[in-house]
Amino acid sequence: DAKTTQPPSMDCAEGRAANLPCNHSTISGNEYVYWYRQIHSQGPQYIIHGLKNNETNEMASLIITEDRKSSTLILPHATLRDTAVYYCIVRASIYYGGSQGNLIFGKGTKLSVKP
Amino acid sequence: GAVVSQHPSRVICKSGTSVKIECRSLDFQATTMFWYRQFPKQSLMLMATSNEGSKATYEQGVEKDKFLINHASLTLSTLTVTSAHPEDSSFYICSARDTVGTGPYNEQFFGPGTRLTVL
Repeated sequence: DAKTTQPPSMDCAEGRAANLPCNHSTISGNEYVYWYRQIHSQGPQYIIHGLKNNETNEMASLIITEDRKSSTLILPHATLRDTAVYYCIVRASIYYGGSQGNLIFGKGTKLSVKP
Repeated sequence: GAVVSQHPSRVICKSGTSVKIECRSLDFQATTMFWYRQFPKQSLMLMATSNEGSKATYEQGVEKDKFLINHASLTLSTLTVTSAHPEDSSFYICSARDTVGTGPYNEQFFGPGTRLTVL
């Protein structure tokens, strides 16, 4: 079962920041927070990941709370092409072996960016 | 990011036939590849994990004799749906994990998916 809780849907105005929350209150010390998104009828696309520090790349920023029980994905200037289902996933390091390193998808948040 | 391709992108077949789907990592080597299935309006479900040169590990409830997985090289994995039936109609997505680097968080890249429709 997925270890994260996300709102089922969110709307965002084009050009504004989209802030997508994720709760992972049972996260373990060896688990990372990953974000992927899936545009309709396509494969998921990697966005960003982090352990405990905030992270930023060309696509988004990831803010992780100090207790690591929740995080927020920020798309700074949402465009219509950012409309997708966003998945927050916690995953152990692959070096722990077995299935702990597998990506298990929950239901995600359907983000609709509106003009 | 790294590129993963799938072929075919779409297939329609008659009930009882077998269908093979190919998954290739185009610009990196993937020791581990994954196969997911996604039904309409549902999330991705992991079917199996395959490591190059060894047998696949199937998730609970996935029939290994029905969904044959071969991972013969570091850039190619195939999924064969044997004796397909209408209930096997779904979106099949493969994923490959880059083996370059030593970080504990090697990113996993996904293919574009294959839409299977069994009549």
